[in-house]
Amino acid sequence: EAQVTQNPRYLITVTGKKLTVTCSQNMNHEYMSWYRQDPGLGLRQIYYSMNVEVTDKGDVPEGYKVSRKEKRNFPLILESPSPNQTSLYFCASSTTGGFSHEQYFGPGTRLTVT
Amino acid sequence: AQSVTQLGSHVSVSEGALVLLRCNYSSSVPPYLFWYVQYPNQGLQLLLKYTTGATLVKGINGFEAEFKKSETSFHLTKPSAHMSDAAEYFCAVSLITGGGNKLTFGTGTQLKVEL
Repeated sequence: EAQVTQNPRYLITVTGKKLTVTCSQNMNHEYMSWYRQDPGLGLRQIYYSMNVEVTDKGDVPEGYKVSRKEKRNFPLILESPSPNQTSLYFCASSTTGGFSHEQYFGPGTRLTVT
Repeated sequence: AQSVTQLGSHVSVSEGALVLLRCNYSSSVPPYLFWYVQYPNQGLQLLLKYTTGATLVKGINGFEAEFKKSETSFHLTKPSAHMSDAAEYFCAVSLITGGGNKLTFGTGTQLKVEL
């Protein structure tokens, strides 16, 4: 089944404790992206990757890092999480970086930072 | 800069009634427009998209949307609501920028369907 998977689905952590949220897609997609969803704000892009060689910041990159060492995986790293990073996170992928292309979303990771 | 406005954060309809969810965009160039649906505890799923060509776009589950350039709108409709349509709906716009396939989302509309 074609899908985007994220792990963990739920995570509660404390301020400053490094964490990684994994994202993997099995559709051989070039483009991958991370979003966060907050009530009343919709989804906002954190980072994106056009392919394994190109990764860049989105609208809200502060406090996050990403890595794209292989095409299928795009982990999101929070080096020192803070309470304002409590949110619902989505990974998405697309065939290419083409603007008419549908993005496929993972099921989401709900992160709570205390 | 592109932006998307969804009017009404919550919409309630009766089962069998018309569903109308409003979306307006701002863009200096022709955009690509999308509607995504999010069911509880799930990720987003594409309902439909407008890229070029016919301005009336049909999607899954009986939904459709019409691109009206003069009104900068892309409203989502369904003739007859079903209980299973209860979800959150997001309008999004994609434009050519240095950021690849970036979607700018509206703030979402929660659709409630009542008996």
